[in-house]
Amino acid sequence: EAGVTQFPSHSVIEKGQTVTLRCDPISGHDNLYWYRRVMGKEIKFLLHFVKESKQDESGMPNNRFLAERTGGTYSTLKVQPAELEDSGVYFCASSHMTGGENTQYFGPGTRLTVL
Amino acid sequence: AQKVTQAQTEISVVEKEDVTLDCVYETRDTTYYLFWYKQPPSGELVFLIRRNSFDEQNEISGRYSWNFQKSTSSFNFTITASQVVDSAVYFCARAYSSASKIIFGSGTRLSIRP
Repeated sequence: EAGVTQFPSHSVIEKGQTVTLRCDPISGHDNLYWYRRVMGKEIKFLLHFVKESKQDESGMPNNRFLAERTGGTYSTLKVQPAELEDSGVYFCASSHMTGGENTQYFGPGTRLTVL
Repeated sequence: AQKVTQAQTEISVVEKEDVTLDCVYETRDTTYYLFWYKQPPSGELVFLIRRNSFDEQNEISGRYSWNFQKSTSSFNFTITASQVVDSAVYFCARAYSSASKIIFGSGTRLSIRP
């Protein structure tokens, strides 16, 4: 079974440009999460989808960030316009919707550098 | 905020030594979940263990063991007979419910010297 995949693995853009990150969850996983780690700080939650609906977007830093999950499969996270402080590693995770135990499996991350 | 604290920023030991990574969490909840994840140099986050608040049994998996103590709000991780391949950043984390967001500690960078 394929794990969570993320594309691209690295992205270098200039301040003011737009970048779109993609996450493909494990097949059949209804829950999809975005997290990021900026400059050696803690890994911080951004948002949580259940299928195509946003369950919790309390961690989204501002309106420059837009996440979508059309059709409840893959998700995209767009940063527009990118700022220097957006640099970091963006992780995606997915988990299976069950009433009991629920483990989030993470992708390899996308390293974003804003110059 | 209910934090997860990993006081050890970096640990370096010689191969075959035992090493314990500390984790202390804050919570006002009666039900919660605790996790450990490993981040090797390749960068991905690898799930190691999940424990819910009702299960205080210690867990052993090969050279890895976990000690969960609600009385001290700790969930420590021990590697026995460490190996160079254990070198990684280890994150302790918690969640409010089985599907909610995960709150991570700042991580402990573990280096195992040959």
